Amino acid sequence: ETGVTQTPRHLVMGMTNKKSLKCEQHLGHNAMYWYKQSAKKPLELMFVYSLEERVENNSVPSRFSPECPNSSHLFLHLHTLQPEDSALYLCASSQDRVGGRGTEAFFGQGTRLTVV
Amino acid sequence: KQEVTQIPAALSVPEGENLVLNCSFTDSAIYNLQWFRQDPGKGLTSLLLIQSSQREQTSGRLNASLDKSSGRSTLYIAASQPGDSATYLCAVMGYFGSGTKLNVKP
Repeated sequence: ETGVTQTPRHLVMGMTNKKSLKCEQHLGHNAMYWYKQSAKKPLELMFVYSLEERVENNSVPSRFSPECPNSSHLFLHLHTLQPEDSALYLCASSQDRVGGRGTEAFFGQGTRLTVV
Repeated sequence: KQEVTQIPAALSVPEGENLVLNCSFTDSAIYNLQWFRQDPGKGLTSLLLIQSSQREQTSGRLNASLDKSSGRSTLYIAASQPGDSATYLCAVMGYFGSGTKLNVKP
C-alpha cells in the first residue's frame, strides 16, 4: 500500500462510452501525475498537476481530459477512445513536482483499460 | 525533454548472483533520480531515491549510484533471489526508461 489509490482496477469500455478514472492520495502531497503504460513502451507522462493547477500536458489527445478538484484527488475523463488507448493507466503523487529537492514519487496500482 | 535509456532490456541470472542494471539520461541538470520495481500488471514500487548531491544510496541488498556529470546511474543487486524477478525502472524528472526485465532462476 503506497498511499495512492486508483479506481477502478479494471475497465472495459466501448469506443462511444464516457468513463472516468479516479486517483486519491492520502500522503499530503502537492503534485499528482497521470502516466500511460502500453506494452513494450516506456511509461509516458501524460499530465502533471501541482497545487491543483495543470503544469504539464505532454501532447495528449483531447479525448483524455484530466481534472484535479483538490490536491488529494485526480481524475482522468475518457470519451470516444480508440482501441490503441488500451493500456495500464498509472497515477502518482509527490510532495512537490518531480524534480524538486527531496521529491519521491509514489504510484498507485493502476487501472487496466481495455477499449473494445 | 529528458531521454532515459536502460540497459540491458532483459537479464536472466541464476540465484545468488550479483548484478548491475544501468540507466543513462541526456540532461544532467537533475535534482534526483529514482529506481522502481514493477511486478507484472501492478503499479510501481519505489526502491531508492538518490539526490543529485549524493553519489550513492543503499537499501538492504540494493545499492544505487549516481554520476550526474556523465548522466549515468547503476542499480546493484547483491545475492539475487527469485523474488527479485520483476521489471526495474529508472526515472529522472518524471521521465522513465523502458526498464530492465530481470528473471532470477532458482
